Amino acid sequence: DAGVIQSPRHEVTEMGQEVTLRCKPISGHNSLFWYRQTMMRGLELLIYFNNNVPIDDSGMPEDRFSAKMPNASFSTLKIQPSEPRDSAVYFCASSFKAGRYEQYFGPGTRLTVT
Amino acid sequence: QKEVEQNSGPLSVPEGAIASLNCTYSDRGSQSFFWYRQYSGKSPELIMSIYSNGDKEDGRFTAQLNKASQYVSLLIRDSQPSDSATYLCAVNNPSNSNSGYALNFGKGTSLLVTP
Repeated sequence: DAGVIQSPRHEVTEMGQEVTLRCKPISGHNSLFWYRQTMMRGLELLIYFNNNVPIDDSGMPEDRFSAKMPNASFSTLKIQPSEPRDSAVYFCASSFKAGRYEQYFGPGTRLTVT
Repeated sequence: QKEVEQNSGPLSVPEGAIASLNCTYSDRGSQSFFWYRQYSGKSPELIMSIYSNGDKEDGRFTAQLNKASQYVSLLIRDSQPSDSATYLCAVNNPSNSNSGYALNFGKGTSLLVTP
């Protein structure tokens, strides 16, 4: 089975540009999580969906960040406008059922905003 | 915000020795506990999950959970250089009323196994 798929793997953009990160969860999983990882703050949960519905977006740093999950197979995380402090690795993870069931991570998108 | 604490390391052990990684958590209601391994430049990889007090063994890995002490550990027997990585402890966060099943991650312990 394919694991969690993320694209692009690397993104370099200039400050002020819009960035869209994409994620395809593992087939059959009904929970999807977006994380951001930096050296200073470690791995932070940004938002999580259950059955395509956003459950908790309290980790989204500010209104420049938005996430959608239009169907069970696809999610996007958008940053508009991007800023240099958004530079980080963004991971998507999915699980069969949030909580007791394990989360599986995608390869991540390394975002650099100059 | 409930906390998950890990010693950042690096923890250095010789090849063949037992590596012991520790994690404490603050949310007494936590029920699910995970260890992830993350190689440099790669994504976290799940290696162990534990839900009940006691030990759980999987190959060279043993996870230990003590809910009374709010303590989780990971033992790696016969450590190999290929075990050199950062190990992340993750704990569910039932006190968060919005997402009781979100995971809080520690910042990880860096393990170095020397030949």
